[in-house]
Formats: sequence, structure tokens, C-alpha cells
Amino acid sequence: AQKVTQAQTEISVVEKEDVTLDCVYETRDTTYYLFWYKQPPSGELVFLIRRNSFDEQNEISGRYSWNFQKSTSSFNFTITASQVVDSAVYFCALSEEYSGGGADGLTFGKGTHLIIQP
Amino acid sequence: KAGVTQTPRYLIKTRGQQVTLSCSPISGHRSVSWYQQTPGQGLQFLFEYFSETQRNKGNFPGRFSGRQFSNSRSEMNVSTLELGDSALYLCASSLLSTGELFFGEGSRLTVL
Repeated sequence: AQKVTQAQTEISVVEKEDVTLDCVYETRDTTYYLFWYKQPPSGELVFLIRRNSFDEQNEISGRYSWNFQKSTSSFNFTITASQVVDSAVYFCALSEEYSGGGADGLTFGKGTHLIIQP
Repeated sequence: KAGVTQTPRYLIKTRGQQVTLSCSPISGHRSVSWYQQTPGQGLQFLFEYFSETQRNKGNFPGRFSGRQFSNSRSEMNVSTLELGDSALYLCASSLLSTGELFFGEGSRLTVL
């Protein structure tokens, strides 16, 4: 069975600090997909990144970066120079190999509530 | 490009009633998934529809059902509501091959 663990329930930092959100996953599949979503107070989940299990390259997008390490089954997310607008709940999610295309059900972690204080 | 639209946004029901939630996916998206979000259980997968067929189903009782129409719009229905069904129900749509789910703002159901 697949499982996603986000051990940090809540993180509070002061604006401009760097912050890393941890994500550890469990799966028996060799082909799987990892995601990060952001959920602001409005409730809508906003897609941030998708990474497949064969691509271990780290990714950087502006102030956001992701570190994927299969050896430790981790897919951590770092925000550099955090801003108040980054305050939200962040979810890591896992999807195992697609069966016939489209979207299989995602297994989400419990989320990390990130608070950026001015 | 319009996003995923869910209606109604908020609703209140009493135990034993039934409810139907609607989801209009992004134009061109043929896959629609439903998720339940509660403070205790977090985000849980309900089911996924593609071309009017249910392809995947999560671990929910038969009171939870859904369908998809030929225009890819989807509805989910919960019968014989229980207090524990109070939740935010999120709909997501995706293209066939990318796997990126685009979520709506959700329908917040309160069962009294």
C-alpha cells in the first residue's frame, strides 16, 4: 500500500527566511508520480509540481525548489526567501503507475501548515 | 481558460438526506476525480471517471456514488447522509496523459 508522510504539521517562520517542507513516501511500485499542491485559505488546491520516479533531477522554479531522492524515498520542497503570500497548507501526494492513462487516485500526506510572519 | 467549477459551494443537510454535487471540468479534460477532505482523515480519493466510465474507486461505502456525462461534467451523490460526511468535497480534472490534477474550490457540505 502506498503512503505519504509529512511529519511537520505546522511551520512558522519570519518573512525572507528559507523553509523546507519534508515529504517521505512508501510505495512498492517502480513507476510512480509525486506531486506537491498548495492549498490557500480559499480551499482550492493549486498544482505546484509533478515528478515521475525515473527523474531524480532536482527542480527549481523561481523561489521554489524540489529535492527528490529515491534512496531515502523523500521529495522535499524548499521555499527560498519566503513571503507572506506563501502562507498556506502544502500537500505532498503520490500516485502509482497509471492504468490506461489519465489520473489514478492520489494518496495525500496530511499536509504542512506554513505560516509566514511579516 | 475557465477552471474547474463546482456547485454548490456550500450546503447544509440533515442526517438521512441525500445530496448531489456537480463538477464542470476544464474544457478538453476528460478525466474527473473526486476527493473528500476532512480535518481528521485529510484528503481521500473517492473515485475517478473517464469517458463516462468509473475507472478507479477509493475506500468509501456504497452510499457514495458518481457519474460522468458525455460532456465530461460529473456529479457525485451521497445518500443517507451521516454526520461524518461533513467535509469539503473537491473535484479535479486532468488531461489524459499529463496526470496533473486541476482542482476546483470545492463544495463544503455540513450535515446536521
